[in-house]
Amino acid sequence: QVQLQESGPGLVKPSATLSLTCAVSGGSISSSNWWSWVRQTPEKGLEWIGEVYHTGSTNYNPSLKSRVTLSVDKSMNQFSLKLDSVTAADTALYYCARGTTMIPLAFDCWGQGTLVTISS
Amino acid sequence: DIQMTQSPSTLSASVGDRVTITCRAGHNIRDWLAWYQQKPGKAPKLLIYRASTLQIGVPSRFSGSGSGTEFTLTISSLQPDDFATYYCQQYDSSSTFGQGTKVEV
Repeated sequence: QVQLQESGPGLVKPSATLSLTCAVSGGSISSSNWWSWVRQTPEKGLEWIGEVYHTGSTNYNPSLKSRVTLSVDKSMNQFSLKLDSVTAADTALYYCARGTTMIPLAFDCWGQGTLVTISS
Repeated sequence: DIQMTQSPSTLSASVGDRVTITCRAGHNIRDWLAWYQQKPGKAPKLLIYRASTLQIGVPSRFSGSGSGTEFTLTISSLQPDDFATYYCQQYDSSSTFGQGTKVEV
């Protein structure tokens, strides 16, 4: 059974880069799944950030595309999120998630989430 | 972005009730819609995709219907474990979620 675990700093300064990693266990990141990041705030709810395939192919939410980079590390069986130039509006609970093999943007497996606060 | 609007925002119900949640899309999304259940402190759980296909392991009291711009999630007989917040999600163009419907006692 695949499990996902997010990791990274819980506090990031404004204008800095937010970096998170999602470790995949119980399965291979090179499977026929796309891997996504989703964030959640009380104000905006759930927001899809983007997805990455094990080949390195990516798709991003247009509203965040200019600041987001997703990547895969097959040797570590993990994928990562970088979000540039963060502001307080990027404070959120960040989830990594797996897309189903049939529907890449329907997420059948989620990490527990990691809270990231943007503050000086 | 395709806006997704759920109604109601909050729903009061009792065990055994039939519960229906509506999700409306700002544009035609065909049947590219999923439903999730989220409990406090937990990640969302996929219930339904392609508007009406039940995810493996999800109880058959959950069902989804609709296409185009109007969709419904129905719980045929509400169980104690079903008190939670439910979200719809479109994935026809990028992906956006509804604002959620909290099902409470």
